[in-house]
Amino acid sequence: GAVVSQHPSRVICKSGTSVKIECRSLDFQATTMFWYRQFPKKSLMLMATSNEGSKATYEQGVEKDKFLINHASLTLSTLTVTSAHPEDSSFYICSATGPSGETQYFGPGTRLLVL
Amino acid sequence: GENVEQHPSTLSVQEGDSAVIKCTYSDSASNYFPWYKQELGKRPQLIIDIRSNVGEKKDQRIAVTLNKTAKHFSLHITETQPEDSAVYFCAASSYSSASKIIFGSGTRLSIRP
Repeated sequence: GAVVSQHPSRVICKSGTSVKIECRSLDFQATTMFWYRQFPKKSLMLMATSNEGSKATYEQGVEKDKFLINHASLTLSTLTVTSAHPEDSSFYICSATGPSGETQYFGPGTRLLVL
Repeated sequence: GENVEQHPSTLSVQEGDSAVIKCTYSDSASNYFPWYKQELGKRPQLIIDIRSNVGEKKDQRIAVTLNKTAKHFSLHITETQPEDSAVYFCAASSYSSASKIIFGSGTRLSIRP
């Protein structure tokens, strides 16, 4: 149980385009989902907390107009990187809070490369 | 906000020996401390967690200790095996922070054969 999927696993795009990443909880309802960014050999940096049916809460320094988050249902949250630039290239990972409301289960991540 | 510090950043141990990773946290309201293992290019996997109402928890070769007074918690891996090689992250969370997890900087553990 508590499986989280993420799509796509890898994406390459041109500078200036937008990219959408989906995060799904497959076998449980996730009231809260989280989006992280991870640079090579670095830790996970929390970008935002996403609650179903409400606006996401962004961490300090994260541009909400740059990283659009939508949590339309209890099993799906999306992250859209708008007008992507090479510096947005990174590993993006989502997580969802499981039934305990405490433990976070992570998706497999999306590797974004902006050319 | 919460700040989690983790040491060491790299750790190499002989197969069969024990490995210890230490973390400190700053927010006394934190009450949940998970540990994650991440292999290269993969998602973080929860390996053990501890809540603030206990001081120690063990699961086979893995144990975690928590000292709330000192705001320290540690991961202990005994009888290390090659498959234990990975990056390990400690983290801290509290209900008051909407359960968001703050991660430590990670420890790259290498097991020497």
